[in-house]
Parts: sequence; C-alpha cells; structure tokens
Amino acid sequence: KQEVTQIPAALSVPEGENLVLNCSFTDSAIYNLQWFRQDPGKGLTSLLLIQSSQREQTSGRLNASLDKSSGRSTLYIAASQPGDSATYLCAPTGFQKLVFGTGTRLLVSP
Amino acid sequence: ETGVTQSPTHLIKTRGQQVTLRCSSQSGHNTVSWYQQALGQGPQFIFQYYREEENGRGNFPPRFSGLQFPNYSSELNVNALELDDSALYLCASSREGGLLPDTQYFGPGTRLTVL
Repeated sequence: KQEVTQIPAALSVPEGENLVLNCSFTDSAIYNLQWFRQDPGKGLTSLLLIQSSQREQTSGRLNASLDKSSGRSTLYIAASQPGDSATYLCAPTGFQKLVFGTGTRLLVSP
Repeated sequence: ETGVTQSPTHLIKTRGQQVTLRCSSQSGHNTVSWYQQALGQGPQFIFQYYREEENGRGNFPPRFSGLQFPNYSSELNVNALELDDSALYLCASSREGGLLPDTQYFGPGTRLTVL
C-alpha cells in the first residue's frame, strides 16, 4: 500500500526566499508524480507532473525533481511571493489513482 | 476549454439521509475520479469511472456509489450518511486509454456537512 509523507508539515518564510518542499513515498512502482496547490477550502490546482522516466520538470519559478528508486520528490520554489501561500500536495500515481500526502502548509510573509 | 465543475458548492445534511453530488468533466475527457478530503488531510481515492464503467475503487463502503453518463459527467451518491462523511468531495477528470495515466484536473469541490 502506497504511503506518502511530506516534510515539513508547515513552513513560514519571508518574501523572496528560495524554499524546498519534500515528499517521500513507499512504493516506487509509479507511473508519474504530480504536485498540486490547494488554497483553503478550494479544489486542487495541478502545478507539475513528472513522468516516472523523467528526473526533473520546471514551470516558471517552480522546479520538481523525482528520484523514483529512492521514493523521493522535491518541489523547489524560487523567490517566494505572498501569493504562493497555500498547501502543497504531492501525489504519486499508481494504477488508476493518485495517493496524496497530508501536504505542506506554506505561508510567505511580505 | 471548460474546466471541471461540481455542484452544489455546499450542502448540509443530517445523519441517515442520502446525498447526490455532481461533476461535469473537462471537454474531451472520458474518465472521472472521486476523492474525499477530510479537514487537515490529503484527498482519499473513492472510485474512478471510465467510459461509464467503474474502473477501480478505494477503501470505501458500498453506501458510496457512483454513475457516469454518456457525456462523461458523473454523480457520487452516499446513502445512510454518517457524521464522518463530512468532508470536501473532489472530482477529477482525465483522458485515459493511452499507455500512461493522464494528468487529472480537479474541480472546486463540494463541501458536505453532516449534522
């Protein structure tokens, strides 16, 4: 059974800092891994999808890496902004479904 | 391109009642997945529908059931509501049938409160 852990659970940083969010998963038999953003009480916005054959994926200030063999992914956010404040969820994709961690709650202060 | 929509936005029910939640998939998508997200937790997979057939189910009891229609929209039905069913219910659509699972696009969710 896939289990996903995200560290840290919460993070508070001043605007402009570069930061790293960590995700680990127990079953390396995945097709891909997605990173999502969730604002309070809202749905999920897909940020990045990394196929299992890829090592890295970039979108603007976001960069996600995947080490499938060790069961780890990281999301790097450059030059953080107050608008980045949200909960970030990672989800490796097995057969049919995404398995989510509990997320990292990020607060970026002006 | 229209995104994933869900209705209603909020719903309040009492224990023992039944509820139906609705989801319209993104244009061109043939698969809908449903997830339950309790407060402070990550979403949990309920089930997936592919071309009107159930295509996988998570660890949820049979009182959680669903349908997918020819236009690929979907319903989630929950019977005999319990207090623990209070959660945000998310649906996600994708275009499956290829070699690899496709990106799932999520709707805004339905907040269900059971009193």
